[in-house]
Amino acid sequence: EPEVTQTPSHQVTQMGQEVILRCVPISNHLYFYWYRQILGQKVEFLVSFYNNEISEKSEIFDDQFSVERPDGSNFTLKIRSTKLEDSAMYFCASSRDTSNQPQHFGDGTRLSIL
Amino acid sequence: AQSVTQPDIHITVSEGASLELRCNYSYGATPYLFWYVQSPGQGLQLLLKYFSGDTLVQGIKGFEAEFKRSQSSFNLRKPSVHWSDAAEYFCAVNTGNQFYFGTGTSLTVIP
Repeated sequence: EPEVTQTPSHQVTQMGQEVILRCVPISNHLYFYWYRQILGQKVEFLVSFYNNEISEKSEIFDDQFSVERPDGSNFTLKIRSTKLEDSAMYFCASSRDTSNQPQHFGDGTRLSIL
Repeated sequence: AQSVTQPDIHITVSEGASLELRCNYSYGATPYLFWYVQSPGQGLQLLLKYFSGDTLVQGIKGFEAEFKRSQSSFNLRKPSVHWSDAAEYFCAVNTGNQFYFGTGTSLTVIP
């Protein structure tokens, strides 16, 4: 069964540095998402992406964050000038459509900011 | 505002016992509802979904869930729990572009 893959599985970065989290969505999916899960807390929506542009974003997704689909297969989340509170699991997801189509999640990237 | 509530933070059941995890949602229109399971250190795996039709839906691993519009609930059930079911369970509602997740219920299974 096709899967969403995320790399790296664990990223350790110094505070203030930029980090790029990478995702390869399922190939025939059109909608892409990033979520964040701070340790012990619920999964929080960050952003959705369709047709090469952001379709919706949450309050968390401020100017520090950006997303890009640089080619036909990758979907990236960039965090500029990282802060300690950015430490979390970041999940990528994709779906064929919105509404009743489930989102398929990757295994996540654990981001640790030192 | 849309929201999902899972009132039980942590549940402990004996292996072989039945299980019910509660989920309540708040959403004005017809909801699309999902249950996901997360094992430690792993991503979210879809257990089942509801978007129309029969209000009792079957999922993987022997799980089922019942949509009750009058109670705004979508509770997850399993008749006989296995030790491998120990994990975090998340209920979610899809409003179109965005998923809203509950805070999760952690399930511990004791021998």
